[in-house]
Amino acid sequence: GQQVMQIPQYQHVQEGEDFTTYCNSSTTLSNIQWYKQRPGGHPVFLIQLVKSGEVKKQKRLTFQFGEAKKNSSLHITATQTTDVGTYFCAGKRTNAGKSTFGDGTTLTVKP
Amino acid sequence: GAVVSQHPSRVICKSGTSVKIECRSLDFQATTMFWYRQFPKQSLMLMATSNEGSKATYEQGVEKDKFLINHASLTLSTLTVTSAHPEDSSFYICSAPDSKSLQETQYFGPGTRLLVL
Repeated sequence: GQQVMQIPQYQHVQEGEDFTTYCNSSTTLSNIQWYKQRPGGHPVFLIQLVKSGEVKKQKRLTFQFGEAKKNSSLHITATQTTDVGTYFCAGKRTNAGKSTFGDGTTLTVKP
Repeated sequence: GAVVSQHPSRVICKSGTSVKIECRSLDFQATTMFWYRQFPKQSLMLMATSNEGSKATYEQGVEKDKFLINHASLTLSTLTVTSAHPEDSSFYICSAPDSKSLQETQYFGPGTRLLVL
């Protein structure tokens, strides 16, 4: 079955440092979504990428979808304490009704 | 964005009892809802896909007789954990895609924390 791998599992950074999490799928995806889950909370949708090579920005967050549509990344510039949480990618295969979630990357930010 | 509610938010029950969890889409219709289970510091594990008007589709390894799903209307899906045991203690989250939105966004409920004693 489809596998979605996410690395790293944990990342500890000093406030102001950059952060990147990577997502890799064993199969070509029709789209990939990114979610953020704060400690004790539920996942909240951040963005969806559909096109090969697509890059989208949300303030300090930059999302990329690979040319082969099998990998994606989320980069946060100059992290803040409000960025703490677990970031999940979710990939959907073409014609599949469901998305497969990666294991998530948990970010902690030291003030 | 769309809102999905879940009830109850927390439940503590004795081993052997059944627990029903409700998932409602408040401002949109959801022909499909997903049920996930999440253990502490772990990812979301899809348990089943709930389909309005038809049987749910269960993921491999999930017992359909233990986790009963009913999608009675376009805004309500229920998950019943039957004869709960301590190993069923977990965080259960539902999500629903808004089919009318341009993006295939999944809107998650706030989750239900189940503790089986």
